[in-house]
Amino acid sequence: AQRVTQPEKLLSVFKGAPVELKCNYSYSGSPELFWYVQYSRQRLQLLLRHISRESIKGFTADLNKGETSFHLKKPFAQEEDSAMYYCALSVNSGYSTLTFGKGTMLLVSP
Amino acid sequence: ETGVTQSPTHLIKTRGQQVTLRCSSQSGHNTVSWYQQALGQGPQFIFQYYREEENGRGNFPPRFSGLQFPNYSSELNVNALELDDSALYLCASSTQWTNEQYFGPGTRLTVT
Repeated sequence: AQRVTQPEKLLSVFKGAPVELKCNYSYSGSPELFWYVQYSRQRLQLLLRHISRESIKGFTADLNKGETSFHLKKPFAQEEDSAMYYCALSVNSGYSTLTFGKGTMLLVSP
Repeated sequence: ETGVTQSPTHLIKTRGQQVTLRCSSQSGHNTVSWYQQALGQGPQFIFQYYREEENGRGNFPPRFSGLQFPNYSSELNVNALELDDSALYLCASSTQWTNEQYFGPGTRLTVT
């Protein structure tokens, strides 16, 4: 069965500092990886997906199949980046579903 | 474009009771997935509905059941509630062509 691991419950940085939220997965096939974000009092929303190879709100994430990782990075954190971040994996097995990590709370201080 | 909506927002039930949670999918989406999010955990997949049939199921007992209606809205039913069922229940909609899911605000269920 697939699994997603986010080793940090909380990551606290100062504004302008670089950010890296770690995500490792276990799955023998070729999964699709996502980062979801939940801002305070808002619903869970998609931040980015690896197949898009986009940069959203300054965040990027590269899928490293050798290390089975999909770390989320941003060179300069902003206070508005403070939120809960979830890494998720999807595999196509007749239906698509998401397997989530436990999440990392990012706190950006002024 | 209308987003995913869920009702009710909050619910308090007693152990042993039954509960029904509702979800309206985003316009143009025909697939609905339900997730349970316990405190401090990531969402956990319960089941998915497509074309009014259960299309996949996670590791949840049969007392968790669901329905999907012709307008693609969905219900999650939980029988014989247990204290551990206390959680945030999330509904997500998507199309059959993508793994990208759009989430509702959730229903907070408390079982006492």
